[in-house]
Amino acid sequence: DSGVTQTPKHLITATGQRVTLRCSPRSGDLSVYWYQQSLDQGLQFLIQYYNGEERAKGNILERFSAQQFPDLHSELNLSSLELGDSALYFCASSVDRTGQKYFGPGTRLTVT
Amino acid sequence: AQSVTQLDSQVPVFEEAPVELRCNYSSSVSVYLFWYVQYPNQGLQLLLKYLSGSTLVKGINGFEAEFNKSQTSFHLRKPSVHISDTAEYFCAVMNTGFQKLVFGTGTRLLVSP
Repeated sequence: DSGVTQTPKHLITATGQRVTLRCSPRSGDLSVYWYQQSLDQGLQFLIQYYNGEERAKGNILERFSAQQFPDLHSELNLSSLELGDSALYFCASSVDRTGQKYFGPGTRLTVT
Repeated sequence: AQSVTQLDSQVPVFEEAPVELRCNYSSSVSVYLFWYVQYPNQGLQLLLKYLSGSTLVKGINGFEAEFNKSQTSFHLRKPSVHISDTAEYFCAVMNTGFQKLVFGTGTRLLVSP
């Protein structure tokens, strides 16, 4: 158990819909990262937040957005969903810049 | 920009045999290097990391990796694998100035009895 929790575990939705994925970092970790893992693209970095502020952006689509709340949990919002958005979405957290990240179990999103 | 190449998409091996999973990276600046393991239906778990110092890094579950700067490699090794080592292994690199991890495409290790 990494200490990072993600909900829900599985999500099935239709094209065009909007969903919200939630992540709670390990206690004391200020940084939260979102990654997408798909068969086509492999494991890709989406976005990072540090203590409520966006710190780095990766291959995140404009239809996707994220935020980190004062209690440090983070939400990833995916809108106008397409079949290609079906993937495993991971959240990770870390406390420092050395990069030791602790990954959550992921949310499996299926768009039908 | 950094990139990571994992040369083998799948490595089949018999139980108790040694294994090496290859990883090469590309970067114009200093980097940190990592190996993560993903067991079926689970998230990623850090196996080991190289930040500085000794180029031979020991990790969990008997794995080790050697950082070779001249060959820009960070190969993962284990002298004797177990069935339970069957998983997907990801090599990752991070520029020391940023926090974005760039992952390789992964190598699936299949251990057979």
